[in-house]
Amino acid sequence: QKEVEQNSGPLSVPEGAIASLNCTYSDRGSQSFFWYRQYSGKSPELIMFIYSNGDKEDGRFTAQLNKASQYVSLLIRDSQPSDSATYLCAVNSGGSNYKLTFGKGTLLTVNP
Amino acid sequence: KAGVTQTPRYLIKTRGQQVTLSCSPISGHRSVSWYQQTPGQGLQFLFEYFSETQRNKGNFPGRFSGRQFSNSRSEMNVSTLELGDSALYLCASSPGGSGNTIYFGEGSWLTVV
Repeated sequence: QKEVEQNSGPLSVPEGAIASLNCTYSDRGSQSFFWYRQYSGKSPELIMFIYSNGDKEDGRFTAQLNKASQYVSLLIRDSQPSDSATYLCAVNSGGSNYKLTFGKGTLLTVNP
Repeated sequence: KAGVTQTPRYLIKTRGQQVTLSCSPISGHRSVSWYQQTPGQGLQFLFEYFSETQRNKGNFPGRFSGRQFSNSRSEMNVSTLELGDSALYLCASSPGGSGNTIYFGEGSWLTVV
């Protein structure tokens, strides 16, 4: 059973702080890793994807991947109240990015 | 560029009935995948279609089925509805290559009573 594990939270951070979201996965064959943001009552929205070990930065977001440890994380710098949402980690399955295995998500709350 | 369009957005059905959900992918995208999201199980892959062919299927019973038309639009059907089928059903599209990223539509909220 291929699994993706996330801390369900809630993770609460003050405005302007760095939010750190973590994810571990069980399938060593996974090659692509995604972070989606989902606001309450809305559909998931792609934030970032990462394929290679190391860091990938996009604006206030940084994704970090460590395949040896089967660990992927998302850092949100200068957190804003509008970042309050559930963050879903997803991993491709069987080499295809259309078949993703999702974690259950971490609820992030950014307090003004 | 228009996004992924799903209809209907909200619907209520009775146990034992069947339901058909529709998805129009982003223009030019040929792959459509379907996911079910519930509070208990999270987001789970149902199946994926490319060029009218199902390429992959998740671990759902045969009551869940789908199809894709020549214009890449897709439908999914759930027969003999059960209370546990109440969920957000999400359609996602991508150009079609296995390395492409998927983009979700707004979803169809199904309530079974």
